[in-house]
Amino acid sequence: AQRVTQPEKLLSVFKGAPVELKCNYSYSGSPELFWYVQYSRQRLQLLLRHISRESIKGFTADLNKGETSFHLKKPFAQEEDSAMYYCALSVIGTGNQFYFGTGTSLTVIP
Amino acid sequence: EPEVTQTPSHQVTQMGQEVILRCVPISNHLYFYWYRQILGQKVEFLVSFYNNEISEKSEIFDDQFSVERPDGSNFTLKIRSTKLEDSAMYFCASAAGDTQYFGPGTRLTVL
Repeated sequence: AQRVTQPEKLLSVFKGAPVELKCNYSYSGSPELFWYVQYSRQRLQLLLRHISRESIKGFTADLNKGETSFHLKKPFAQEEDSAMYYCALSVIGTGNQFYFGTGTSLTVIP
Repeated sequence: EPEVTQTPSHQVTQMGQEVILRCVPISNHLYFYWYRQILGQKVEFLVSFYNNEISEKSEIFDDQFSVERPDGSNFTLKIRSTKLEDSAMYFCASAAGDTQYFGPGTRLTVL
């Protein structure tokens, strides 16, 4: 069965420090993975998707099929990065539904 | 930039009552979704809708739930007889391809 695991519910880092939000997935097929961000009182917004291999707001994420991971990284955290981050797996052919992780709440300490 | 909109932002209802949650997807999108998030828990898939029919639904989406696209713009989720455990944030999403765009959510409180 498909599953997304985000082991850290809460993560605090100091401004300027590197940050890594972990995401592991379980899926036997070829996954499509996404990171969504939810700022306080706002909607879920797409942050990045693995197939575009782009950097958004300084964040990057690399799909590691061997480790079944899609960790989100940023070399220098900013206060405005404080938000809830969700990793999501899309399974093609099942209505493209998303399987979400439980989310990680990131706090960047000034 | 076009966005998915949802109304109402907050709905309070009595147990056993019917509620309809409304969504206006992005206009050129063809795939529509409902998700829910119980407080403190993860976002869970409810149903996907394409070409005027349900393409996939989860175990949560039982006979009490239904979806409809009554006109060219709205996409609704109906809960026929609400239960206390239906209290949650309900998110609508739409997609043109594989990236889903989410609405701001409707907070449903069942008393």
